[in-house]
Amino acid sequence: DSGVTQTPKHLITATGQRVTLRCSPRSGDLSVYWYQQSLDQGLQFLIQYYNGEERAKGNILERFSAQQFPDLHSELNLSSLELGDSALYFCASGTGQGHSPLHFGNGTRLTVT
Amino acid sequence: GQNIDQPTEMTATEGAIVQINCTYQTSGFNGLFWYQQHAGEAPTFLSYNVLDGLEEKGRFSSFLSRSKGYSYLLLKELQMKDSASYLCAVLSGNTGKLIFGQGTTLQVKP
Repeated sequence: DSGVTQTPKHLITATGQRVTLRCSPRSGDLSVYWYQQSLDQGLQFLIQYYNGEERAKGNILERFSAQQFPDLHSELNLSSLELGDSALYFCASGTGQGHSPLHFGNGTRLTVT
Repeated sequence: GQNIDQPTEMTATEGAIVQINCTYQTSGFNGLFWYQQHAGEAPTFLSYNVLDGLEEKGRFSSFLSRSKGYSYLLLKELQMKDSASYLCAVLSGNTGKLIFGQGTTLQVKP
């Protein structure tokens, strides 16, 4: 158990809809990272938050947004969903200090129909 | 930009040794991680290298050459449970952000 909690485990929704994915980091970790993993692709970095502030941005679409709350949990919002958004979405937490490993949650599997 | 290359698939025999290579071209290199990921599950941390040389951890070892932009993960005494994807990831900058390669799917056969 990594100590990172993601909910829900599975999500099935229709095109055009909006969903929210939730992540609670490991106790003591201030940083949260969101990754997308599609079938034929590796883990794609989306965005990072550190202690409530956006720290780094990757290939995140404008239809996607995220935030980190004062209690350090984070939410990833995906809107105007398309079939191609179907993927595993992982949240990872870390110290944000560099060489410490990231610890991953079990992911949310999103299916857009 | 960032470019990380790994072989897509490898096959090895139970009890044998396998080496999974990773080459990278990146700015702001601050270290290299290896993760293991079983299908549909979360990646789990295996090793971290920031200095040149070999890091050994039980049956797993990882090597780094910064001047060559090259790393490998060595798995000894392969077991069936080692069948998984192995992800090479570069630590980019100082925020802890990891950039991952596509992963190498290893199949261990009896």
